[in-house]
Amino acid sequence: DAGVIQSPRHEVTEMGQEVTLRCKPISGHNSLFWYRQTMMRGLELLIYFNNNVPIDDSGMPEDRFSAKMPNASFSTLKIQPSEPRDSAVYFCASSLTGTGNTIYFGEGSWLTVV
Amino acid sequence: KQEVTQIPAALSVPEGENLVLNCSFTDSAIYNLQWFRQDPGKGLTSLLLIQSSQREQTSGRLNASLDKSSGRSTLYIAASQPGDSATYLCASPFGNEKLTFGTGTRLTIIP
Repeated sequence: DAGVIQSPRHEVTEMGQEVTLRCKPISGHNSLFWYRQTMMRGLELLIYFNNNVPIDDSGMPEDRFSAKMPNASFSTLKIQPSEPRDSAVYFCASSLTGTGNTIYFGEGSWLTVV
Repeated sequence: KQEVTQIPAALSVPEGENLVLNCSFTDSAIYNLQWFRQDPGKGLTSLLLIQSSQREQTSGRLNASLDKSSGRSTLYIAASQPGDSATYLCASPFGNEKLTFGTGTRLTIIP
């Protein structure tokens, strides 16, 4: 299995621009998570989906952030407009539904907003 | 609010030594506890998952224990190697699928 695949791996963008991060979960997994990692706050859960439906988006910082999962094999996290404080590593992760299952992380998308 | 704490934040040990990493949590109503490894510039790799009904799990040189009553989990690494250098994080889904992560311990194995 190829694991969780994220793109782009690195992105540098100017403040105000739209950023779209993409994720392909492991085939067969029905839970998908978006995390953000910063030095100050560590790993924070932004949103998670179960069977393509958003279950909890309470971690989404503000309206500039949105996430979609149009099908079982693809999800996007969009920031519009981006700000320098959005600079972080964004991880996508997937698992089989249920709290007893291992969660698998992608390699992350390193975002820098200048 | 569930809190997961990992102390120390950084640890350096000579190669070959056994070591223990600590993880403390405030809410004992956990379903499981997972230990992850993160290498610089990489994602997180799951090392061990302990179900709430278990007391420990072993994988190679790694052994993780769970004591819900005291709110603690430990990750024991035997015969440490330079390749073990990484940041180790513990995490648990408290009552749902949302993992709460500790802040991690950055481990350096000195050759």
